[in-house]
Amino acid sequence: EAQVTQNPRYLITVTGKKLTVTCSQNMNHEYMSWYRQDPGLGLRQIYYSMNVEVTDKGDVPEGYKVSRKEKRNFPLILESPSPNQTSLYFCASSLSNQGGPDTQYFGPGTRLTVL
Amino acid sequence: AQKVTQAQTEISVVEKEDVTLDCVYETRDTTYYLFWYKQPPSGELVFLIRRNSFDEQNEISGRYSWNFQKSTSSFNFTITASQVVDSAVYFCALSEFTGNQFYFGTGTSLTVIP
Repeated sequence: EAQVTQNPRYLITVTGKKLTVTCSQNMNHEYMSWYRQDPGLGLRQIYYSMNVEVTDKGDVPEGYKVSRKEKRNFPLILESPSPNQTSLYFCASSLSNQGGPDTQYFGPGTRLTVL
Repeated sequence: AQKVTQAQTEISVVEKEDVTLDCVYETRDTTYYLFWYKQPPSGELVFLIRRNSFDEQNEISGRYSWNFQKSTSSFNFTITASQVVDSAVYFCALSEFTGNQFYFGTGTSLTVIP
């Protein structure tokens, strides 16, 4: 089944404890992206990747890191989480954005709470 | 700067009523793409439509229709004969031709009352 998977789905952690949220897609998509969803703010893009080894900042990159060593994986790293990073996180992928933005397919979301 | 505005935060309708969700966007590009996504109470994001700026024809898919008007920078979404299963948060999004970044609106929460 074609899908985007995220792990963990739920995570409660404490301030300053490094964590990684994994994202994997099995559709051979080139483009991948991370978003956070907060009440009243909609979805905001954190980072995106056009292809392997190519990543760039979205609108709200502060406090996050990403890497794209393989086409299928795009982990989101919080080196020192803070309470304001408590949010619902979505990973997404699309076939390619070379000829214009393609339809993104989203993972199920990761609900992160930072105490 | 790119921006998507969904001014309607919450809408409630009675089942079988028609409802229109508004989306207004700002962009300096002449080539761009617009999207609608649905987020039901279960939380996943479901793709509904992708439209490029050169295609101004309205689109109909079953009970769903979209009205794209470049003159007013709007891409509104209408649900005809609403059903309880349409209850969800709906997001409008914009991406320019380079396709690198996506800009989402704040969403409209639709409740369909049986």
